[in-house]
Amino acid sequence: RKEVEQDPGPFNVPEGATVAFNCTYSNSASQSFFWYRQDCRKEPKLLMSVYSSGNEDGRFTAQLNRASQYISLLIRDSKLSDSATYLCVVNEGYKLSFGAGTTVTVRA
Amino acid sequence: DAGVTQSPTHLIKTRGQQVTLRCSPKSGHDTVSWYQQALGQGPQFIFQYYEEEERQRGNFPDRFSGHQFPNYSSELNVNALLLGDSALYLCASSLDLTGGAGGNEQFFGPGTRLTVL
Repeated sequence: RKEVEQDPGPFNVPEGATVAFNCTYSNSASQSFFWYRQDCRKEPKLLMSVYSSGNEDGRFTAQLNRASQYISLLIRDSKLSDSATYLCVVNEGYKLSFGAGTTVTVRA
Repeated sequence: DAGVTQSPTHLIKTRGQQVTLRCSPKSGHDTVSWYQQALGQGPQFIFQYYEEEERQRGNFPDRFSGHQFPNYSSELNVNALLLGDSALYLCASSLDLTGGAGGNEQFFGPGTRLTVL
């Protein structure tokens, strides 16, 4: 079983729509969780950390469910610039374990 | 304040050759991690260097080796290249704030795209 599994998508949504997707992780001892954004042929960049109580950063909301070992990301009022691959990331000590990414395309 | 830098940006090698990739961490960072990202996949952890020692290693063969220098920069060496080694190699730096417990935010460089023919 992969350490981090994501729905690959693609999610193709119109501008202004809400899009949400999840990932699951296998290591119940994992302590830190993140969403990274990766644009085509670029490096991953931290979008937001994910806290147990859930957290929001502008149009982005992240949720963590430790009991079910899943993490979610919701994007409200989608912009064209939100088109990217979103990587679910679990910090396991020194290393980051990445999902394969969920591709989101926002169309005009 | 310079971020993480990597060189070269692109590299083409043939099977069996050896390659060295270089990384300079973000200013003030002391820890360097290397990741391999194949097309359509998420980055896979290769290893992490701290205080010039390999601190943790992922599931990669011994053909992959590394080094960290006193100025915290790092090299990734891959011997006996295989076609399957073609990937984007990412370096990430962080500052160890937890006395070795990990969990610190990692910042990624732009990567080196390696093509093995």
